[in-house]
Formats: sequence, C-alpha cells, structure tokens
Amino acid sequence: DAGITQSPRHKVTETGTPVTLRCHQTENHRYMYWYRQDPGHGLRLIHYSYGVKDTDKGEVSDGYSVSRSKTEDFLLTLESATSSQTSVYFCAIRQGVGETQYFGPGTRLLVL
Amino acid sequence: DQQVKQNSPSLSVQEGRISILNCDYTNSMFDYFLWYKKYPAEGPTFLISISSIKDKNEDGRFTVFLNKSAKHLSLHIVPSQPGDSAVYFCAASYPGGSQGNLIFGKGTKLSVKP
Repeated sequence: DAGITQSPRHKVTETGTPVTLRCHQTENHRYMYWYRQDPGHGLRLIHYSYGVKDTDKGEVSDGYSVSRSKTEDFLLTLESATSSQTSVYFCAIRQGVGETQYFGPGTRLLVL
Repeated sequence: DQQVKQNSPSLSVQEGRISILNCDYTNSMFDYFLWYKKYPAEGPTFLISISSIKDKNEDGRFTVFLNKSAKHLSLHIVPSQPGDSAVYFCAASYPGGSQGNLIFGKGTKLSVKP
C-alpha cells in the first residue's frame, strides 16, 4: 500500500462542465502521475509532476490541466468535460527501485 | 506508434498449469521493464520487474524473462491459480526518459479455470 487515495471514486457529469479529480498521498513522494485507462488502449499518461509546482505533459494531455501546490496533493482538472473523457483515471506515485510506480484505486468518470 | 505491444488480448489456462504472457517492445533504449496485475474496479498492482542487465527475475510463482536481442519479455506464472485471473500489463522505461515515465502495453486478460 503506497498510501494513495483518490477522490471522488465515481463521478457523473455533463458535457461542458469543469471537473477536478484529486490524488492524495501520505508518504512524501516526489513523483506523481495521472493516467487514464480505456478499453483497447491500456494505460496512457496524461500529466505528471516531479515536485511542488513542477509538472509536465504526458501522451494524452489535451483537455486536461494539473496542479500541485503541496507535495501530498496532485489535482487533475478537465476544464470543460467532453464525452471522450469518459474513462477510468488512475493516479500513481514513484518509489523504490528503478522506475516502479504504485497506483491508487482509480476514479470512474462518466461524461454525459 | 506502439512502443510496447501485448499481442494477445486474452489467454485462458487451466488451474495448476503454466501461464505465459508475452510482451514485445520496439525501443532499444528501454532499460527497465515491469509487469502489473489489475483486477476489475481496482488500481493496477505492481507484480515484478527486471532491469536490462538481467535476463531473468523470479519472485515466488512469477518469473519474468527478458530477451534483449529479440526485444521480448515474458511473464511465467507457475502454477496458475484462479486468483491470478486478471488483466496483466507490461510496461517499460528508459534512462533519460521523461522523469521515469512508463510506457504501457494494452494488456492481456488472463483467465485461470478451476
């Protein structure tokens, strides 16, 4: 258990509304990541952070923004949700040997 | 263009037999490889990893083999158990890759039948 929680765990929203997902960790990890998982696509990186206020884009960052004002929290924002952003979102932290990442339980988002 | 490929979307195995999950990659710069297991409605769980300086790593019933010349890795589960039924993802990273980001395959769904 890497001490990662995600909130909310489930959310239904309408197209065009803003949505913020939260990832919280309790073990002071420097690196945090946001992924989305879709059928036929595996896990794809949206954004990542390598420290407070240090973030960068991943493979599928369009339509998403992130913020990290504290070590323990990494927020993912959909400025104006679209149906193509219906997905399961996972947060991860990096710790230990090599590049091993540990994942949170996920947030299931449905955009109607 | 997919850099990490899991060409078998699904695999069915009898309990007690060996499960072999395969993964191919295209980027010769990758130097660290991982396998994750994922149950429905849960986050992926780290299973086992291997560095490119090795060709085998073992942890209990799980063994990962790396063939660098073929750019191929495999995960062996022996003996397979019904609780191993899950989706398995392989992932890779390379030195100097953006902050240790992982590139994932699309996953293989393993079903272990009693």
